[in-house]
Amino acid sequence: EAGVAQSPRYKIIEKRQSVAFWCNPISGHATLYWYQQILGQGPKLLIQFQNNGVVDDSQLPKDRFSAERLKGVDSTLKIQPAKLEDSAVYLCASSFRTANTGELFFGEGSRLTVL
Amino acid sequence: SQKIEQNSEALNIQEGKTATLTCNYTNYSPAYLQWYRQDPGRGPVFLLLIRENEKEKRKERLKVTFDTTLKQSLFHITASQPADSATYLCALALDSNYQLIWGAGTKLIIKP
Repeated sequence: EAGVAQSPRYKIIEKRQSVAFWCNPISGHATLYWYQQILGQGPKLLIQFQNNGVVDDSQLPKDRFSAERLKGVDSTLKIQPAKLEDSAVYLCASSFRTANTGELFFGEGSRLTVL
Repeated sequence: SQKIEQNSEALNIQEGKTATLTCNYTNYSPAYLQWYRQDPGRGPVFLLLIRENEKEKRKERLKVTFDTTLKQSLFHITASQPADSATYLCALALDSNYQLIWGAGTKLIIKP
C-alpha cells in the first residue's frame, strides 16, 4: 500500500515569496491534515479536512496561508507571502476513520527554508 | 494553562536496558493518548494508542501506561537496541473533539 506522498521535499525561498506544497493521502482515507513542525517542537495542526470540507482551521494564519482539497483527495497548502518564521517542516497526514479516533499516517514532509 | 511535557533532554540508554520515556499533561481531559516515533528527516510513525480507561497496552517490546490521576503516560522499550534511537512523540486526544495535542518529543539514544 502506497503511503502519503508529499512534494517537494525541500524548498528554499526568499521572504515575501510564495510557495506551494502538495499532498496525496493514502487511498480511501477521508481525513487529511496539514501540520507545521518547527525544529525541536511537536507538530502543530494547521488545517484538517474531512473529505473536501474543512473541519478545523483555527490555527491557520489565514492572512498568508491557504489550503484546499479538491475532490476530497489531493491537497495543496500555499504560503503567500512567506515570512522568516515560516521556516519549518510541513507534514501532511491522513487517517481512515471519519472521527479522530485512529492513527495518523504521515508523509515524509516538505522542509521550507525562508531566507 | 494547558500543556503537554516530555523530557526535553536526550535520554541515553545502554543497549539491552529498558528505556522509559515520560509524557505529562495538565488541564486536559483526554480521550486517548498516542505515541509516535520520528526519525531525522522523516514523518512521525504511529506506535501505540491507549485509551483513558486503559491502564496498560503492549506491543512486542513496547509498553505504554496511562494514569489519568497522575496525568501521565509512560512509554517503555525493553531490551533496547541501537535501532530504537529516534525521537518519540506523545499526542493527547481531547475528549471534546478528539483533536490531537502534541508534545515536543524526547530524543532517545541507545548506545551499543
